[in-house]
Amino acid sequence: EDQVTQSPEALRLQEGESSSLNCSYTVSGLRGLFWYRQDPGKGPEFLFTLYSAGEEKEKERLKATLTKKESFLHITAPKPEDSATYLCAVSGTSGSRLTFGEGTQLTVNP
Amino acid sequence: NAGVTQTPKFQVLKTGQSMTLQCAQDMNHNSMYWYRQDPGMGLRLIYYSASEGTTDKGEVPNGYNVSRLNKREFSLRLESAAPSQTSVYFCASRPDRVSTDTQYFGPGTRLTVL
Repeated sequence: EDQVTQSPEALRLQEGESSSLNCSYTVSGLRGLFWYRQDPGKGPEFLFTLYSAGEEKEKERLKATLTKKESFLHITAPKPEDSATYLCAVSGTSGSRLTFGEGTQLTVNP
Repeated sequence: NAGVTQTPKFQVLKTGQSMTLQCAQDMNHNSMYWYRQDPGMGLRLIYYSASEGTTDKGEVPNGYNVSRLNKREFSLRLESAAPSQTSVYFCASRPDRVSTDTQYFGPGTRLTVL
Protein backbone atom coordinates (compact mmCIF):
# COMPACT_ATOMS: atom_id res chain seq x y z
CA GLU A 1 0.00 0.00 0.00
CA ASP A 2 1.33 3.41 -0.97
CA GLN A 3 1.97 5.82 1.89
CA VAL A 4 2.85 9.53 2.09
CA THR A 5 3.93 11.38 5.24
CA GLN A 6 4.46 15.13 5.27
CA SER A 7 6.33 17.15 7.88
CA PRO A 8 6.02 19.42 9.64
CA GLU A 9 2.23 19.64 9.98
CA ALA A 10 2.50 23.41 10.31
CA LEU A 11 5.30 25.90 9.73
CA ARG A 12 5.49 29.59 10.55
CA LEU A 13 8.13 31.71 8.82
CA GLN A 14 9.02 35.36 8.72
CA GLU A 15 9.02 36.98 5.32
CA GLY A 16 12.36 36.25 3.70
CA GLU A 17 13.17 33.29 5.98
CA SER A 18 13.90 30.31 3.70
CA SER A 19 12.93 26.76 4.71
CA SER A 20 11.95 23.33 3.40
CA LEU A 21 8.92 21.07 3.60
CA ASN A 22 9.39 17.30 3.63
CA CYS A 23 7.42 14.51 1.93
CA SER A 24 8.44 10.93 2.74
CA TYR A 25 6.89 8.17 0.68
CA THR A 26 6.69 4.42 0.17
CA VAL A 27 5.32 3.23 -3.14
CA SER A 28 5.56 0.20 -5.38
CA GLY A 29 7.27 1.51 -8.49
CA LEU A 30 7.10 5.30 -8.44
CA ARG A 31 5.37 6.73 -11.50
CA GLY A 32 5.31 10.28 -10.22
CA LEU A 33 5.49 12.53 -7.16
CA PHE A 34 3.25 15.58 -7.15
CA TRP A 35 3.17 18.85 -5.24
CA TYR A 36 0.01 20.92 -4.95
CA ARG A 37 -0.81 24.20 -3.25
CA GLN A 38 -4.19 24.64 -1.56
CA ASP A 39 -5.56 27.97 -0.38
CA PRO A 40 -8.36 28.07 2.22
CA GLY A 41 -11.72 27.27 0.64
CA LYS A 42 -10.17 26.38 -2.73
CA GLY A 43 -9.25 23.23 -4.62
CA PRO A 44 -5.65 21.97 -4.86
CA GLU A 45 -3.60 23.84 -7.47
CA PHE A 46 -0.96 21.82 -9.34
CA LEU A 47 2.66 22.91 -8.84
CA PHE A 48 5.10 20.17 -9.90
CA THR A 49 5.45 16.58 -11.02
CA LEU A 50 8.75 14.75 -10.41
CA TYR A 51 9.40 11.40 -12.05
CA SER A 52 12.81 10.11 -10.95
CA ALA A 53 15.39 10.50 -8.19
CA GLY A 54 17.67 13.47 -8.75
CA GLU A 55 15.08 15.46 -10.64
CA GLU A 56 14.49 19.10 -9.64
CA LYS A 57 11.88 21.63 -10.73
CA GLU A 58 11.52 25.33 -9.95
CA LYS A 59 8.76 27.90 -10.06
CA GLU A 60 9.36 31.38 -8.71
CA ARG A 61 10.41 30.96 -5.04
CA LEU A 62 9.65 27.21 -4.97
CA LYS A 63 12.01 24.37 -5.81
CA ALA A 64 11.05 20.70 -5.60
CA THR A 65 13.61 17.90 -5.34
CA LEU A 66 13.26 14.12 -5.30
CA THR A 67 15.23 11.21 -3.84
CA LYS A 68 14.31 7.53 -3.72
CA LYS A 69 12.58 7.97 -0.33
CA GLU A 70 11.52 11.60 -0.05
CA SER A 71 10.89 14.90 -1.71
CA PHE A 72 11.59 18.41 -0.47
CA LEU A 73 9.81 21.61 -1.35
CA HIS A 74 12.30 24.42 -0.76
CA ILE A 75 10.91 27.91 -0.30
CA THR A 76 13.42 30.70 -0.84
CA ALA A 77 12.77 34.16 0.63
CA PRO A 78 9.04 33.50 1.08
CA LYS A 79 6.42 36.22 0.93
CA PRO A 80 3.06 36.38 2.77
CA GLU A 81 1.29 35.34 -0.45
CA ASP A 82 3.10 31.97 -0.23
CA SER A 83 0.96 31.15 2.82
CA ALA A 84 -1.09 28.04 1.98
CA THR A 85 -1.28 24.32 2.62
CA TYR A 86 1.14 22.33 0.48
CA LEU A 87 0.09 18.80 -0.45
CA CYS A 88 2.30 15.95 -1.64
CA ALA A 89 1.01 12.89 -3.53
CA VAL A 90 2.44 9.82 -5.31
CA SER A 91 1.31 7.41 -7.99
CA GLY A 92 2.76 3.93 -8.32
CA THR A 93 2.60 0.93 -10.56
CA SER A 94 -0.94 0.20 -9.28
CA GLY A 95 -2.09 2.81 -11.74
CA SER A 96 -2.79 6.51 -12.06
CA ARG A 97 -4.51 6.79 -8.68
CA LEU A 98 -2.87 9.31 -6.34
CA THR A 99 -2.14 8.79 -2.65
CA PHE A 100 -1.98 12.08 -0.74
CA GLY A 101 -0.27 13.17 2.44
CA GLU A 102 -2.09 15.30 5.00
CA GLY A 103 -0.27 18.46 3.98
CA THR A 104 1.91 21.15 5.57
CA GLN A 105 0.20 24.40 6.51
CA LEU A 106 2.64 27.24 5.82
CA THR A 107 2.17 30.72 7.26
CA VAL A 108 4.51 33.52 6.22
CA ASN A 109 4.32 36.59 8.42
CA PRO A 110 5.21 40.05 7.04
CA ASN B 1 -11.08 27.15 -20.54
CA ALA B 2 -12.97 26.88 -17.26
CA GLY B 3 -11.05 23.72 -16.32
CA VAL B 4 -12.93 21.60 -13.77
CA THR B 5 -16.19 23.04 -12.45
CA GLN B 6 -18.33 21.76 -9.58
CA THR B 7 -21.86 22.51 -8.42
CA PRO B 8 -23.12 23.36 -5.89
CA LYS B 9 -20.39 25.14 -3.89
CA PHE B 10 -22.19 24.66 -0.59
CA GLN B 11 -24.96 22.32 0.55
CA VAL B 12 -26.66 21.47 3.83
CA LEU B 13 -28.65 18.23 4.06
CA LYS B 14 -30.59 16.46 6.75
CA THR B 15 -29.77 12.86 7.58
CA GLY B 16 -31.46 10.55 5.07
CA GLN B 17 -31.80 13.10 2.29
CA SER B 18 -30.28 12.45 -1.10
CA MET B 19 -28.36 14.70 -3.46
CA THR B 20 -26.10 14.67 -6.51
CA LEU B 21 -22.85 16.58 -6.79
CA GLN B 22 -22.05 17.65 -10.34
CA CYS B 23 -18.65 17.88 -11.99
CA ALA B 24 -17.71 18.89 -15.52
CA GLN B 25 -14.40 19.45 -17.31
CA ASP B 26 -13.70 21.14 -20.62
CA MET B 27 -10.16 19.83 -21.14
CA ASN B 28 -11.18 16.71 -23.10
CA HIS B 29 -9.73 14.43 -20.40
CA ASN B 30 -10.73 10.78 -20.29
CA SER B 31 -10.07 10.15 -16.58
CA MET B 32 -12.08 11.77 -13.82
CA TYR B 33 -12.02 11.34 -10.02
CA TRP B 34 -14.01 12.11 -6.88
CA TYR B 35 -12.24 12.77 -3.55
CA ARG B 36 -13.29 13.79 -0.10
CA GLN B 37 -11.11 15.89 2.20
CA ASP B 38 -11.43 15.73 5.97
CA PRO B 39 -9.25 17.32 8.67
CA GLY B 40 -6.39 15.01 9.61
CA MET B 41 -7.24 12.54 6.83
CA GLY B 42 -5.96 14.17 3.68
CA LEU B 43 -7.62 13.64 0.31
CA ARG B 44 -9.17 10.19 -0.11
CA LEU B 45 -10.38 8.72 -3.39
CA ILE B 46 -14.08 7.78 -3.49
CA TYR B 47 -14.59 6.68 -7.12
CA TYR B 48 -12.90 7.21 -10.43
CA SER B 49 -13.66 6.79 -14.12
CA ALA B 50 -10.95 5.94 -16.62
CA SER B 51 -13.21 6.60 -19.58
CA GLU B 52 -16.81 7.23 -20.56
CA GLY B 53 -18.93 4.28 -19.46
CA THR B 54 -16.50 2.90 -16.87
CA THR B 55 -16.27 3.52 -13.12
CA ASP B 56 -14.23 1.94 -10.32
CA LYS B 57 -14.23 2.11 -6.53
CA GLY B 58 -11.55 3.99 -4.68
CA GLU B 59 -10.54 3.92 -1.04
CA VAL B 60 -13.87 5.03 0.53
CA PRO B 61 -16.80 4.18 -1.79
CA ASN B 62 -19.42 3.12 0.77
CA GLY B 63 -22.52 5.32 0.75
CA TYR B 64 -21.81 6.81 -2.67
CA ASN B 65 -22.67 6.09 -6.30
CA VAL B 66 -21.29 7.69 -9.44
CA SER B 67 -22.34 8.21 -13.03
CA ARG B 68 -20.09 9.05 -15.96
CA LEU B 69 -22.70 10.78 -18.04
CA ASN B 70 -20.41 11.55 -20.97
CA LYS B 71 -16.76 12.46 -21.46
CA ARG B 72 -17.24 15.87 -19.82
CA GLU B 73 -19.41 15.04 -16.80
CA PHE B 74 -18.95 12.83 -13.73
CA SER B 75 -21.54 13.01 -10.94
CA LEU B 76 -21.44 11.75 -7.35
CA ARG B 77 -24.68 10.74 -5.63
CA LEU B 78 -25.45 10.33 -1.95
CA GLU B 79 -28.60 8.20 -1.73
CA SER B 80 -29.17 8.57 2.02
CA ALA B 81 -26.86 11.14 3.57
CA ALA B 82 -25.26 10.51 6.96
CA PRO B 83 -23.41 12.93 9.28
CA SER B 84 -20.20 10.98 8.55
CA GLN B 85 -20.44 12.26 4.97
CA THR B 86 -19.96 15.85 6.09
CA SER B 87 -16.84 16.81 4.17
CA VAL B 88 -15.42 18.82 1.31
CA TYR B 89 -15.73 17.01 -2.02
CA PHE B 90 -13.35 17.57 -4.91
CA CYS B 91 -13.57 16.43 -8.49
CA ALA B 92 -10.44 16.07 -10.61
CA SER B 93 -9.49 15.08 -14.14
CA ARG B 94 -6.33 13.82 -15.79
CA PRO B 95 -4.88 14.30 -19.26
CA ASP B 96 -4.76 11.25 -21.47
CA ARG B 97 -1.01 11.25 -21.98
CA VAL B 98 0.50 7.97 -20.81
CA SER B 99 3.52 9.81 -19.42
CA THR B 100 1.70 11.69 -16.66
CA ASP B 101 -0.67 10.97 -13.77
CA THR B 102 -1.05 14.69 -12.95
CA GLN B 103 -4.60 15.53 -11.92
CA TYR B 104 -6.33 18.91 -12.03
CA PHE B 105 -8.87 19.77 -9.38
CA GLY B 106 -12.13 21.68 -9.20
CA PRO B 107 -13.01 24.26 -6.51
CA GLY B 108 -14.90 21.81 -4.29
CA THR B 109 -18.34 21.32 -2.76
CA ARG B 110 -18.68 21.86 0.97
CA LEU B 111 -21.33 19.49 2.31
CA THR B 112 -22.81 19.47 5.80
CA VAL B 113 -25.14 16.67 6.89
CA LEU B 114 -27.14 17.44 10.02
